[in-house]
Amino acid sequence: QKEVEQNSGPLSVPEGAIASLNCTYSDRGSQSFFWYRQYSGKSPELIMFIYSNGDKEDGRFTAQLNKASQYVSLLIRDSQPSDSATYLCALRVQGGSEKLVFGKGTKLTVNP
Amino acid sequence: DAGITQSPRHKVTETGTPVTLRCHQTENHRYMYWYRQDPGHGLRLIHYSYGVKDTDKGEVSDGYSVSRSKTEDFLLTLESATSSQTSVYFCAIRAGQGSDTQYFGPGTRLTVL
Repeated sequence: QKEVEQNSGPLSVPEGAIASLNCTYSDRGSQSFFWYRQYSGKSPELIMFIYSNGDKEDGRFTAQLNKASQYVSLLIRDSQPSDSATYLCALRVQGGSEKLVFGKGTKLTVNP
Repeated sequence: DAGITQSPRHKVTETGTPVTLRCHQTENHRYMYWYRQDPGHGLRLIHYSYGVKDTDKGEVSDGYSVSRSKTEDFLLTLESATSSQTSVYFCAIRAGQGSDTQYFGPGTRLTVL
């Protein structure tokens, strides 16, 4: 049962552009959403979390959540080659569980 | 790195041998998790723990067991390793009270020949 869907990519953008990463989910009761960045050969690193509908900004990163449409997105402004990585979307499973479910990730390449 | 270490970092073993991976944390977090990551499957939860001696299964628990006798250590055991268990294994902790964010250890690359 797939609960979190991401376009596997690869997504390629030029340096300085906005990268848009999208994630859809099936569990309408999900309340907590996370974006992780994973460089090749490294462990996932938390970038942002978002709980409420709307936008949440942190530096060059903006997370957007739309619970009615069941999607969450991550925008990276002024993309840099160092942003090249796989981005994982995750959500907390409904029902008091302390578990997260992850998407398979979108590979982003920022070209100099 | 959220004070998480994993050992060993790399291991090559043969089919049928037992293998134990260790996750160690220094910050007294209650929740700890074991994931495996495979191409085409992403991160999948194997087992998790919500306290000393309290554990539960994840979505891919067959062939794995866990133990947590101390807050700081969470062990993952492959009783009889198979080639399908070749993977990268990540341990994670859940951040403190009122938070459901998880932070990951550096990972263990396991190859079963």
